[in-house]
Amino acid sequence: EVQLVESGGGLVQPGGSLRLSCAASGFTFSGSWMSWVRQAPGKGLEWVANIKQDGSDKYYLGSVEGRFTVSRDNAKDSLDLQMNSLRADDTAVYYCVRDQGWLHVNWGQGALVTVSS
Amino acid sequence: EIVMTQSPGTLSLSPGERATLSCRASRSLSNNYLAWFQQKPGQAPRLLIYDASTRATDVPDRVSGSGSGTDFTLTISRLEPEDFAVYYCQQYGTAPKTFGQGTKVEVK
Repeated sequence: EVQLVESGGGLVQPGGSLRLSCAASGFTFSGSWMSWVRQAPGKGLEWVANIKQDGSDKYYLGSVEGRFTVSRDNAKDSLDLQMNSLRADDTAVYYCVRDQGWLHVNWGQGALVTVSS
Repeated sequence: EIVMTQSPGTLSLSPGERATLSCRASRSLSNNYLAWFQQKPGQAPRLLIYDASTRATDVPDRVSGSGSGTDFTLTISRLEPEDFAVYYCQQYGTAPKTFGQGTKVEVK
């Protein structure tokens, strides 16, 4: 069974940093593209970033490019999202997602990030 | 970026009725890379349909997807109680991958 467990969410002040992690199990992690997708409170879904199997290709939502960095450790079956210069509009539940190609197939339960003073 | 527009915003129906949800892309989708997701309150989204018309694992056959190019439809032939939820379409062929704003299917 595919399991994706996010950690590292919490409350951070505007301008601060936070690192989300995702522990993956139940599938061949090194064989999958992985994504982060977020959802602001009461709002819709927004794709944030994705990363190729070997980490060689990464894509970002325009509004986070230069502030967020996605990375992975295939030896540890883990995915990270380093978030810097956080803003109030980054407040959301962040989902770790296993992709098949670029299709979002399996989702974690999400980690809440709140940016507020 | 490709803008995805869903209609209607809310659909009020009774169990047993047919639900028809629309999704329109601002330009033609390559290879019809269009997916539909279902989300219930407090839960993560669940993949229902991909490649516009292929059902994902364990999705009942009362749920179907159709369309091509820029216009796509999700149909639930007879609504069951577990079908009342929010539905999102997403194009996943071109970065940035973009979602529609969602259609809520609620009990009338």
